[in-house]
Amino acid sequence: DIVMTQTPLSLSVTPGQPASISCKSSQSLLHSDGKTYVYWNLQKPGQSPQLLIYEVSNRFSGVPDRFSGSGSGTDFTLKISRVEAEDVGVYYCMQSIQVPWTFGQGTKVEIK
Amino acid sequence: QVQLVQSGAEVKKPGASVKVSCKASGYTFTNYDINWVRQATGQGLEWMGWMNPNSGNTGYAQKLQGRVTMTRDTSISTAYMELSSLRFEDTAVYYCTRGDVWGQGTTISVSS
Repeated sequence: DIVMTQTPLSLSVTPGQPASISCKSSQSLLHSDGKTYVYWNLQKPGQSPQLLIYEVSNRFSGVPDRFSGSGSGTDFTLKISRVEAEDVGVYYCMQSIQVPWTFGQGTKVEIK
Repeated sequence: QVQLVQSGAEVKKPGASVKVSCKASGYTFTNYDINWVRQATGQGLEWMGWMNPNSGNTGYAQKLQGRVTMTRDTSISTAYMELSSLRFEDTAVYYCTRGDVWGQGTTISVSS
């Protein structure tokens, strides 16, 4: 199974400040079709996960442009340019290049 | 809009079975795989398996092989996940997801 390792596991951020989360996979997530199958989800307190970023850097419908994704191969990053109160929750990276899908441990983001 | 609506919470005894439904709307049900993911209280996300609603083909997480069955009824655009021989450690919130859209979750509690 592909192991997804996130850092840090928790983050306390002042509103308006940037935040960054790293995700490293144990194998390349670049498929022969040219796509890289890494995703970022946010699980707000008491809610289901919601997709933020798909295939490294594509924002899902309705996701604010303060969220951005980057990376390649095995190293990926989610950045929030200016954290807002509504961004609190647990962020998970996920791979779907092969089954089983696997998730990072999650990064808990809270507001200072 | 695209929605996945799941059945309600259930309490089961060890050794029993549970069947969770996931009704799709807002898109052509047979065009997208449905995956199931579960989350124990305070824990991360665990992939359980996938089903192609068009063909009925399935793939399951190795640790659940023999206990999990994923089926569908295309006439009502509904996917099902049945878990048998329930154990205390199966207590969790169960989600169906297309990958981009997630159901609201179904809480399954296993208690004697």
